[in-house]
Amino acid sequence: EAGVAQSPRYKIIEKRQSVAFWCNPISGHATLYWYQQILGQGPKLLIQFQNNGVVDDSQLPKDRFSAERLKGVDSTLKIQPAKLEDSAVYLCASSTLPHYEQYFGPGTRLTVT
Amino acid sequence: DAKTTQPNSMESNEEEPVHLPCNHSTISGTDYIHWYRQLPSQGPEYVIHGLTSNVNNRMASLAIAEDRKSSTLILHRATLRDAAVYYCILRDRDIGGSARQLTFGSGTQLTVLP
Repeated sequence: EAGVAQSPRYKIIEKRQSVAFWCNPISGHATLYWYQQILGQGPKLLIQFQNNGVVDDSQLPKDRFSAERLKGVDSTLKIQPAKLEDSAVYLCASSTLPHYEQYFGPGTRLTVT
Repeated sequence: DAKTTQPNSMESNEEEPVHLPCNHSTISGTDYIHWYRQLPSQGPEYVIHGLTSNVNNRMASLAIAEDRKSSTLILHRATLRDAAVYYCILRDRDIGGSARQLTFGSGTQLTVLP
């Protein structure tokens, strides 16, 4: 079974630029999550989708971050404009149902200079 | 979600058992105890979870105190590949209308010495 795929694996941008990350969850997984992990900390949930609907986006900085999951499969997370403090690893995870174990992708390491 | 307390770091020798403690004194009756681990440069991976009874799987064992205020993740024979950050997380079993999130703390950095 293929795991959660993410791209790109690394991205370096200047502040005020925009960036987008892509996630392809495990086939059949209805629930998809985006996490932000700052160096030395545990992952922090940004947004949770159930199929193509948003379940929880309470910790998503909506003035600059946006996410979508069209057709309930792939998802994209966008940052526009980026700030220095957005430097982090962005992790995508999926699960069959919201309360089941989550499977994580390898993450995208973003550096904002 | 209730909070957990874990040591920042632990060391173990290769091929010896490792006991990773977690305190969760404010755990509620509906909280499951989950463990995830994160190997270097990878996303977290599920290890094990339990409610009241001790649990075993191919990766590890979970020992839960009788009062459920603490638990211990046991790796029976540590290998160099077990070096990772281990997270102990409480997760409410009540899914209700919206699922309970995974709230990660800082975890325990396990170093395995050859």
